[in-house]
Amino acid sequence: DTEVTQTPKHLVMGMTNKKSLKCEQHMGHRAMYWYKQKAKKPPELMFVYSYEKLSINESVPSRFSPECPNSSLLNLHLHALQPEDSALYLCASSPDRGRSNDEQYFGPGTRLTVT
Amino acid sequence: GDSVTQMEGPVTLSEEAFLTINCTYTATGYPSLFWYVQYPGEGLQLLLKATKADDKGSNKGFEATYRKETTSFHLEKGSVQVSDSAVYFCALTDNAGNNRKLIWGLGTSLAVNP
Repeated sequence: DTEVTQTPKHLVMGMTNKKSLKCEQHMGHRAMYWYKQKAKKPPELMFVYSYEKLSINESVPSRFSPECPNSSLLNLHLHALQPEDSALYLCASSPDRGRSNDEQYFGPGTRLTVT
Repeated sequence: GDSVTQMEGPVTLSEEAFLTINCTYTATGYPSLFWYVQYPGEGLQLLLKATKADDKGSNKGFEATYRKETTSFHLEKGSVQVSDSAVYFCALTDNAGNNRKLIWGLGTSLAVNP
């Protein structure tokens, strides 16, 4: 099973709402990632968890709050977002064997619209 | 810093045409190289990878060879299909640096007409 699942598929939220994006993988991978992707652009890394600890935060605004409850699950909590935060949010995972040839497996993404 | 440069799109081909999408890189270490594909409305899928010089990655009829002398990793397919219409991203991770970070090219959009 090489699947990363994400829910919901689509999300529309107002600027005062609080919502969460969820990601799950059952490949035994120990690194999980959140990316933001704007149309026709490459994904931008937001956060990396390695062995359930936050290892990379790419200076993401605090209105985005990641959480890794266990090695299979990754959440992204959203609060007080801005319209410019509308994008495709992608989750990925990788084995994290400590080698550069570790490939990342991506989920289908959550299409977020902030109104 | 490390970087990836891809040919600009969009690329438009007829079915059964030969495809080449150019990708060159700069890296201080010995990177691993990847091609990812994104079909319309979907997430990214790993298409193929190569981890050292002269390695050839291949999948679904696509091939790319890691050329250290020309710092290139061009994607090729002998006969494209309409279903290959997608955006293709070249990427690398640096062996010497933080190997959890992918450095991405800007992507090349491919449209295949029947």
